[in-house]
Amino acid sequence: QLQLQESGPGLVKPSETLSLTCTASGGSVSSSTYYWGWIRQSPGKGLEWIGNTHNSGSTYYNSSLKSRVSISLDTSKNQFSLTLRSVTAADTSVYFCARLPSSRGAFDVWGQGTVVIVSS
Amino acid sequence: DIQMTQSPSIVSASVGDRVTITCRASESVDSWLTWYQQKPGKAPNVVIYKVSTLESGVPSRFSGSGSGTEFTLTISSLQPDDFGTYYCQQYRSFPLTFGGGTNVEIK
Repeated sequence: QLQLQESGPGLVKPSETLSLTCTASGGSVSSSTYYWGWIRQSPGKGLEWIGNTHNSGSTYYNSSLKSRVSISLDTSKNQFSLTLRSVTAADTSVYFCARLPSSRGAFDVWGQGTVVIVSS
Repeated sequence: DIQMTQSPSIVSASVGDRVTITCRASESVDSWLTWYQQKPGKAPNVVIYKVSTLESGVPSRFSGSGSGTEFTLTISSLQPDDFGTYYCQQYRSFPLTFGGGTNVEIK
């Protein structure tokens, strides 16, 4: 059964670029049945959707982050990645990767989450 | 963007109580409404998807209802393990959006 695992630096300096990778095991990111997404949660706050990607090449982003974010899929490595540019302290969050079956509309498999702190 | 508004923000109830949480959308999301439960330090888990479909393994005391712009998650008899924060999320259109969350506390 599918498992997802986030990886990447836990500390990023302000104005720099945050890069995270989500590695899938027990399933393939090539499947056209699913979207692959990133969601974040600032300390003590709610869930914020960042964006989704699909094997078709389609990508969708949060309107407030669109100018700074990109999500890509690497089927050869069975991974998908998040890049967030020009980070500030407001980007300090737990970042989750997750799978979304298009037929269900719900993120049904999640990674455990990775903490990213933006600080000099 | 479709805005999702949950109420109340906090529910404090006793074991055995019936608990109801509401989620309102700024425009119709048809039946594309999911409820998640999140416990501290953990990723969210699906409770209900497509308004009323119970996720596999979720107890039958959870139920969902509604249509269009107003939706309800009901816990028929609150149990100690039901504490946590509940979020609604729409899939009617991108960008996807979550409600602000409802914290369920056990008295």
